[in-house]
Amino acid sequence: GAGVSQSPSNKVTEKGKDVELRCDPISGHTALYWYRQSLGQGLEFLIYFQGNSAPDKSGLPSDRFSAERTGGSVSTLTIQRTQQEDSAVYLCASSRAIGGQPQHFGDGTRLSIL
Amino acid sequence: GESVGLHLPTLSVQEGDNSIINCAYSNSASDYFIWYKQESGKGPQFIIDIRSNMDKRQGQRVTVLLNKTVKHLSLQIAATQPGDSAVYFCAESAGNMLTFGGGTRLMVKP
Repeated sequence: GAGVSQSPSNKVTEKGKDVELRCDPISGHTALYWYRQSLGQGLEFLIYFQGNSAPDKSGLPSDRFSAERTGGSVSTLTIQRTQQEDSAVYLCASSRAIGGQPQHFGDGTRLSIL
Repeated sequence: GESVGLHLPTLSVQEGDNSIINCAYSNSASDYFIWYKQESGKGPQFIIDIRSNMDKRQGQRVTVLLNKTVKHLSLQIAATQPGDSAVYFCAESAGNMLTFGGGTRLMVKP
């Protein structure tokens, strides 16, 4: 498909474990964003990447959260030493350029911390 | 409307009627606005966007209205169908990022 692809779609893990979430953006999109959505809530910005520029990490809630984008395409969001409050849906979006462009979302990874 | 925790504002409409979903935004410097539809278990789906140099933009069965004076955005859906049932989010941007509102749940009664 031509849309944003995220994996896994669901992840259940024990408190204290590390998790990696993957995002494949739409081909040719230079901007990539990560959001978090708790049950019944809006979207909370985490981080974005634009081309080869340094990422904007201003939304990351703690130093347990990090993200990489390799080769300007695939991105991985890593959460270390997971806590129960990390349980949420993690959404990835991409857009042709940064700012003033519609962001196109994947269906997210539903993360549950036991 | 804006949400508070799990209690999303809900708009219930009869199938075939028109729906109007409202959103108040906070940043007077915002120059780009967008509406998303989110169905259960899915990511937000782009519906329509508008830039601040416009007051109105129409798509297929949808119209977005922007009132910059009172910082208000609305989404109108004509002839609402059961498939329109979802949570609708508005978002605003004054630069590189989108800031999302809390969402409104639209329920369509057959």
